[in-house]
Amino acid sequence: SQTIHQWPATLVQPVGSPLSLECTVEGTSNPNLYWYRQAAGRGLQLLFYSIGIGQISSEVPQNLSASRPQDRQFILSSKKLLLSDSGFYLCAWSVRRGHGGYTFGSGTRLTVV
Amino acid sequence: AQTVTQSQPEMSVQEAETVTLSCTYDTSESNYYLFWYKQPPSRQMILVIRQEAYKQQNATENRFSVNFQKAAKSFSLKISDSQLGDTAMYFCAFMKPSGANSKLTFGKGITLSVRP
Repeated sequence: SQTIHQWPATLVQPVGSPLSLECTVEGTSNPNLYWYRQAAGRGLQLLFYSIGIGQISSEVPQNLSASRPQDRQFILSSKKLLLSDSGFYLCAWSVRRGHGGYTFGSGTRLTVV
Repeated sequence: AQTVTQSQPEMSVQEAETVTLSCTYDTSESNYYLFWYKQPPSRQMILVIRQEAYKQQNATENRFSVNFQKAAKSFSLKISDSQLGDTAMYFCAFMKPSGANSKLTFGKGITLSVRP
């Protein structure tokens, strides 16, 4: 069966520090991968998606970047965090060309102080 | 661009009663998919139910059912026999099939509280 792992679960980082959040999927090949951010009391905003290794699409201009160095690995990064980067970050995967919805990881709560 | 609107920020229901959560969307597409996701206090996003736009029959999953009105672009979720474990944030989402990638667009969510 397919599983998705996301870590760390919680992170407190100072302003200006770098960020690396990692997401891996098991039990499937060629997944579509997604990074969402959920600000307090708000909906989910799609940040990045990827349909293959090295293929990253950005949905909104921001202080973050994403990379996909391996088929089932998706990384969210920042060189210098801002206070506004605080939030709950969710990784998700879906079948290529699938319409069954996404399966989400357990999320990372990021607090920038 | 597609938009999903959940106009009720919060709702409350007595345990064992029925509650309906509203969702409307805007699209010019004729073929698409609609979803309801549940996010309990653990914040894990869980797929509750899925509806294909070309199917007239409303989807049902145990105590969860939808009322899909395509012409009105409305997609409400009915929870029957509410349980304490149904307390969560619920998100309505829209997916337009698009080649290799079909992105989900979410509403802002509604917080449902089930009272004992």
